[in-house]
Amino acid sequence: DQQVKQNSPSLSVQEGRISILNCDYTNSMFDYFLWYKKYPAEGPTFLISISSIKDKNEDGRFTVFLNKSAKHLSLHIVPSQPGDSAVYFCAAFYTGNQFYFGTGTSLTVIP
Amino acid sequence: GAGVSQSPSNKVTEKGKDVELRCDPISGHTALYWYRQSLGQGLEFLIYFQGNSAPDKSGLPSDRFSAERTGGSVSTLTIQRTQQEDSAVYLCASSLTSTLGYEQYFGPGTRLTVT
Repeated sequence: DQQVKQNSPSLSVQEGRISILNCDYTNSMFDYFLWYKKYPAEGPTFLISISSIKDKNEDGRFTVFLNKSAKHLSLHIVPSQPGDSAVYFCAAFYTGNQFYFGTGTSLTVIP
Repeated sequence: GAGVSQSPSNKVTEKGKDVELRCDPISGHTALYWYRQSLGQGLEFLIYFQGNSAPDKSGLPSDRFSAERTGGSVSTLTIQRTQQEDSAVYLCASSLTSTLGYEQYFGPGTRLTVT
């Protein structure tokens, strides 16, 4: 039972444009959402998070939007840079429980 | 300070053999997680430890899998009688706590290949 879904396995974006990565979830009990970035042969690294009491969190070029009614979150990267090319995982959990990860979206930023 | 370390980085084993994978979490982190990522798949939760509480083993795929965490620090994931479908990257992560707001820090993973 995949509680967190990333339906786009890959995305290509021109350098300087906006990258939008999407994530859907099914469990309304989730109260915290995170995005991780993963380069080949490395473990995922934390990128940005959002609490369920917010609908937006911004950190530099990265913004995460949360739409609780739609059970949907998205990560916006603007402007996209070649170094952003990686696999992006969204994750969700509720207090005291395990983390649930999506299957990842491979982003390629074309110079 | 040092991040999460895992050893070995790569392990090739024959079907039916037992393997042990090691994780050294960040010092002071009370929560420790094991995941695996099979080819083309997302991160699959296996087990997590939180302080001295009983571990959440709900993600372990079979009784061939077990994990220990000694002294609240180092953890070992053991796979007995390995099967080819066990081939994956096994990732360990630690965090200050499993409660709201504390993100996980991942190790580089152990790539396990069962031949």
